[in-house]
Formats: sequence, C-alpha cells, structure tokens
Amino acid sequence: QVQLKESGPGLVQPSRTLSLTCTVSGFSLTSYGVSWVRQPPGKGLEWIAAIWSGGSTDYNSALKSRLSISRDTSKSQVLLKMNSLQTEDTAMYFCARFRGSWAFDYWGQGVMVTVSS
Amino acid sequence: DVVLTQTPVSLLISLGGQASISCRSSQSLVHSNGNTYLHWYLQKPGQSPQLLIYQVSNRFSGIPDRFSGSGSGTDFTLKISRVEPEDLGVYYCLQRTHNPPTFGGGTKLELK
Repeated sequence: QVQLKESGPGLVQPSRTLSLTCTVSGFSLTSYGVSWVRQPPGKGLEWIAAIWSGGSTDYNSALKSRLSISRDTSKSQVLLKMNSLQTEDTAMYFCARFRGSWAFDYWGQGVMVTVSS
Repeated sequence: DVVLTQTPVSLLISLGGQASISCRSSQSLVHSNGNTYLHWYLQKPGQSPQLLIYQVSNRFSGIPDRFSGSGSGTDFTLKISRVEPEDLGVYYCLQRTHNPPTFGGGTKLELK
C-alpha cells in the first residue's frame, strides 16, 4: 500500500541547515510527485516545495532562497534541505504525494522540527 | 498567490447535526483545462491531514457519503451531515489550480 515516512533531526540550532528525508513505498517517484508541507504548532498548513514526477521542482517564493528539494529514485526518497534556520521554522513537516494538479492524496505522519539553541 | 478564506473559523455542532464550511478564493479556481482543483481535508488531533473531497465534489476512497462538496468559480462549500465523533478536527481547503498551492486557514469542528 501507499506509504510515506518523514525522517529528520528533531532539534536544529538557529542558522544551521535542516535536512529532511521522505521515504516512500507503494508507488514510484517517476509516476508521482512529492510535496513538502509544514505546520507550526497550533497553526495552519503551508506548502513549501514540490518535486514532480519528471524531476522538475517548485518552491514557495518566500522560502525559495533557503530551499532545495531533490530525489533519489533508486532509494525511493525525496530530500528537502532548508538553510539559515530561524525559530519561525519550528513546525511539523509533512510530505505528501500528488499527480499533476490533483490533490495531495497520501501524507506521511510528519516529523517535528524544533529550531532552538 | 491565491488566498483561500474559510468561514467560520470554528463550528460547534451537536452529534447527528449538520455542518457547513465555506471556502472562498481570491480568484477563479477554474483551470485552463476546464477542471477545478479545489480539495478538502480533515486533520484530526495529532494526525496528518486526510483527503476527504477532491476536485470540488468527489469523495476520496473510503470517505462516507455524509461528506459532500459543492461550488464553482470562487465559492465552495463542504457539508457534513449526521456529524459523528470521528468527524471532529480541523478542516482545510486546498487549491492546486494555480501555483503555488495554497490552503485555507482552517475551520475547527467541535462538539456542542
């Protein structure tokens, strides 16, 4: 069945770089895209970045200068890097599957990232 | 970016009652291909969002017919009939017609 699972460090110091991994199963990254969505504690959902099935990428314009999304199809993994972390980047980070303009239909359980010294 | 405005922000409903949530867009969500990519999610406490309705009115796999979506252009509505305890949480609309994808601010459904 379709599964996505996020992994990452949990706690990151301000100004450092965050690296998150989304490991997928039950589908191919060459058939579906994967997006990252984050949610600060007690707040709403914010789309961050996407990598399409063809390998092209899109970024939230407000975060674009700090973001990089890539994939390793042999490992069924999507990687997100965000540099110059600030306390405002503290959030639950989710990855989700999509195809074209369709809905994000399956989501991972999320990984909590806290930015603190 | 497209702004989605959800109302109300919170909703108190009795078990067995009906809830209605509005999602209004700052611009038409009709894609150049004629489709409308407006979707609805429920996020239960401590969980990731789950897809309820895709493309305005289509129920996702396993979603009961108590959930229905309607609307067109810039105005969309999610209705939940015969509210059950497992329906409680925060509801979000999402548009994928225009880049970047944007979410509504959320509507919290609570028991009266």
